[in-house]
Amino acid sequence: AQTVTQSQPEMSVQEAETVTLSCTYDTSENNYYLFWYKQPPSRQMILVIRQEAYKQQNATENRFSVNFQKAAKSFSLKISDSQLGDTAMYFCAFMSLTTSGTYKYIFGTGTRLKVLA
Amino acid sequence: DAGVIQSPRHEVTEMGQEVTLRCKPISGHNSLFWYRQTMMRGLELLIYFNNNVPIDDSGMPEDRFSAKMPNASFSTLKIQPSEPRDSAVYFCASTLQGSGYTFGSGTRLTVV
Repeated sequence: AQTVTQSQPEMSVQEAETVTLSCTYDTSENNYYLFWYKQPPSRQMILVIRQEAYKQQNATENRFSVNFQKAAKSFSLKISDSQLGDTAMYFCAFMSLTTSGTYKYIFGTGTRLKVLA
Repeated sequence: DAGVIQSPRHEVTEMGQEVTLRCKPISGHNSLFWYRQTMMRGLELLIYFNNNVPIDDSGMPEDRFSAKMPNASFSTLKIQPSEPRDSAVYFCASTLQGSGYTFGSGTRLTVV
């Protein structure tokens, strides 16, 4: 069974510095997608970044980038030049196609990030 | 597009009452999900629909919970009868297979 593990329940970072959130997953599949979602205090869930497993190049979205290590089953999120608005809960998520042709989604438990002024 | 629309934003109800949560997914999305978030258990998938058909309802906690998707633009999650332990934030999300989720703003349910 697939699992997603976020081993850092809470983290903090000084404004303007860089922080890396870790995520590991377990799967026997070769084709899947990985996501990072952000949940600010407003409770809205926001897609931050997405990575297709078949792509070797790491995804980047402005200040957000990932370090995707497929062999190690690791998918960390790096936030550069942290801003106060980055304070949120961050969820790592895994998506794959099941044998029945539907999609399976698994979320990590989340990492609470606080950006300090 | 207005995004995934959930209603109500907040619901306070007495134990034993029926509660209905509503969701309007993004037009064109073919999968819809209901999640529940609590501090104790984190984010849990309750049920999801693919092309309006329930695919996996193994996360539905018990028979008091039911969900329907009568058409591609509307889904409900019903709790009858409600209990205090059902208090949580309920998220609806939709997606087009292969893309990321778009979540609604959530419904904060409080059962007293």
